[in-house]
Amino acid sequence: AQTVTQSQPEMSVQEAETVTLSCTYDTSESNYYLFWYKQPPSRQMILVIRQEAYKQQNATENRFSVNFQKAAKSFSLKISDSQLGDTAMYFCAFSSGNTGKLIFGQGTTLQVKP
Amino acid sequence: DTAVSQTPKYLVTQMGNDKSIKCEQNLGHDTMYWYKQDSKKFLKIMFSYNNKELIINETVPNRFSPKSPDKAHLNLHINSLELGDSAVYFCASSQTTGYGDTIYFGEGSWLTVV
Repeated sequence: AQTVTQSQPEMSVQEAETVTLSCTYDTSESNYYLFWYKQPPSRQMILVIRQEAYKQQNATENRFSVNFQKAAKSFSLKISDSQLGDTAMYFCAFSSGNTGKLIFGQGTTLQVKP
Repeated sequence: DTAVSQTPKYLVTQMGNDKSIKCEQNLGHDTMYWYKQDSKKFLKIMFSYNNKELIINETVPNRFSPKSPDKAHLNLHINSLELGDSAVYFCASSQTTGYGDTIYFGEGSWLTVV
């Protein structure tokens, strides 16, 4: 069974600085996708970034980038130039197969301080 | 226009009651889901439907019954509500059941059972 683990329940960062959120996963699948979702206080789940396992190049979306280490089964999220609006809970998620099912980690609450 | 909309957003009800949460998506997607976020913010899939056909039933109690009248709608009916059913329920959709498809979430329905 696939599992996703986020070992940092809470993190904080000063505005304009860089922060990295950790995620590890376990699977025997060879192809899959990994995602980071953001959940601000409004509760809306917002896709931040996605990575296909077959792609060696790390995904980047503006200030958000990932460090995907397939052999280590690690998928960390780096947020550069942190902004107050980045304050939210961040979930790492895994998907494989043909059901569309997302398996989520426990989440990391990120506080960006002014 | 909201892509995935669910009603009601907030629901407070007594133990033993029956309640429904409605969901509609206007993205033209084939697949819809219900996810549950518990008090510890842990997110887990409950059901998924593809073109009105049940794909995933993640060992959810029989008191929970999803219904998909068409592929744009997926409703969740809960019988004999229990205190443990208190949670945020998210409806979501994706183009297909493919593991790379982005899943779009609604804003959530916050159910409190007293």
